[in-house]
Amino acid sequence: GNSVTQMEGPVTLSEEAFLTINCTYTATGYPSLFWYVQYPGEGLQLLLKATKADDKGSNKGFEATYRKETTSFHLEKGSVQVSDSAVYFCALFMSGGSQGNLIFGKGTKLSVKP
Amino acid sequence: KAGVTQTPRYLIKTRGQQVTLSCSPISGHRSVSWYQQTPGQGLQFLFEYFSETQRNKGNFPGRFSGRQFSNSRSEMNVSTLELGDSALYLCASSLAGGETNEQFFGPGTRLTVL
Repeated sequence: GNSVTQMEGPVTLSEEAFLTINCTYTATGYPSLFWYVQYPGEGLQLLLKATKADDKGSNKGFEATYRKETTSFHLEKGSVQVSDSAVYFCALFMSGGSQGNLIFGKGTKLSVKP
Repeated sequence: KAGVTQTPRYLIKTRGQQVTLSCSPISGHRSVSWYQQTPGQGLQFLFEYFSETQRNKGNFPGRFSGRQFSNSRSEMNVSTLELGDSALYLCASSLAGGETNEQFFGPGTRLTVL
C-alpha cells in the first residue's frame, strides 16, 4: 500500500543552521506530495506541496523537490529560526483514489535553540 | 474568514461511554475529513464527507461513525470508548476534496479515555 517514511526526531538545531528532514514514499502511481507543520496546541498547516515529478514546492524559506527516481521529498531550509520549532509532517495524496485521504509520515519534531 | 472550528477542545470520558465531536468547516467548504492523531500510530484517516455523503472511509472499526449536515458542519461519534481511543481528533475542510484543494485543519479535540 501507499506509505510515507520520515526521519526520526527530535531534531535540535541552533538558530541559522541548515535544516534537512528526509521523507521517502511508497505509492502505486504518481502521488501529490505535501509538507505540513504543526505548532504546539494547533492543527496542521500546509507548508508546501508538489504535484508532479521535479516540481519544487517552496514557502517561508522552506523548499522540497519531488524526486520520482528516489521517491523522495526532502524538506530543506537554509537558515532556521527559533520560530520554526514545530512538528513537520510529510504526506502524500493519490489522485483518482481515496478522496480526502492524506497519508502522513510519523512527523519530525524540530527544536531550534537561540 | 473564520478557520475550521472544533468543539469541544478537550474531553474526558470513561471506557464504555460514547462521545460526539463537532467540526465547523470554513464557509463555502463542502468537504470535511477526520483524522486521528496518536503518538504511536501518528495521523490516520478516519473518513471524509462531501455534500452530506460519506465519500471515503479509513480502516477503523464501526464504533467510529460520522455525518455531515446540509450546512457542511460535521460530527463524528465514537461509541463504546476504549482506552486506545485517547487521541487528538483533527478535522480538515476543503472546497471539494482532492489533492488540488488544500485541506485546512482545525485545532483538534483532545479526547482522553479513562
